[in-house]
Amino acid sequence: AQSVTQPDIHITVSEGASLELRCNYSYGATPYLFWYVQSPGQGLQLLLKYFSGDTLVQGIKGFEAEFKRSQSSFNLRKPSVHWSDAAEYFCAVGAGGGADGLTFGKGTHLIIQP
Amino acid sequence: EAGVTQSPTHLIKTRGQQATLRCSPISGHTSVYWYQQALGLGLQFLLWYDEGEERNRGNFPPRFSGRQFPNYSSELNVNALELEDSALYLCASSLGTGVPDTQYFGPGTRLTVL
Repeated sequence: AQSVTQPDIHITVSEGASLELRCNYSYGATPYLFWYVQSPGQGLQLLLKYFSGDTLVQGIKGFEAEFKRSQSSFNLRKPSVHWSDAAEYFCAVGAGGGADGLTFGKGTHLIIQP
Repeated sequence: EAGVTQSPTHLIKTRGQQATLRCSPISGHTSVYWYQQALGLGLQFLLWYDEGEERNRGNFPPRFSGRQFPNYSSELNVNALELEDSALYLCASSLGTGVPDTQYFGPGTRLTVL
């Protein structure tokens, strides 16, 4: 069965600083990987996804992620965070075709310091 | 283009009652997924509907059920409500064209069981 680990429950970053959120997955076949963001009381917004090809993927709001098969990782990065980036970030892996839905990590709560 | 919509926004029920949650997918999407986001348990896959049929379900008891209508909208029913059913219920839709597929989420329904 697939699984996703987000090792950091909380991360605090100063506004304007760079950000990296970690995600490790376990999956037996080709993983389809996603990052979603959730603001308090809201649904999930898709930031970016990786299906195949270039291992560095660009997303919305200036985010990017790099797929590293050898490390089973899909870390999310942003060069300079804004106060509006404060939210919960979820990494997810999918089997594709909806077979088992998406498997999510526990999430990383991002706090932005002024 | 309208996103995934869910109703109601909030729902308050008492233990033992039934709850009905509704979801309208993005136009052109045929697959609908339901997830439960309970405090401390993270996001868990509940059900997947495609072309009017239940295709898969997560590790939830049979009192969680639903259906998908000919217009691809969906309903989630939770019978014999228990206190631990209190959660944010998220619906997602996708094109349902197979592997890989991207799920887009609605804002959720907050169910509170008293």
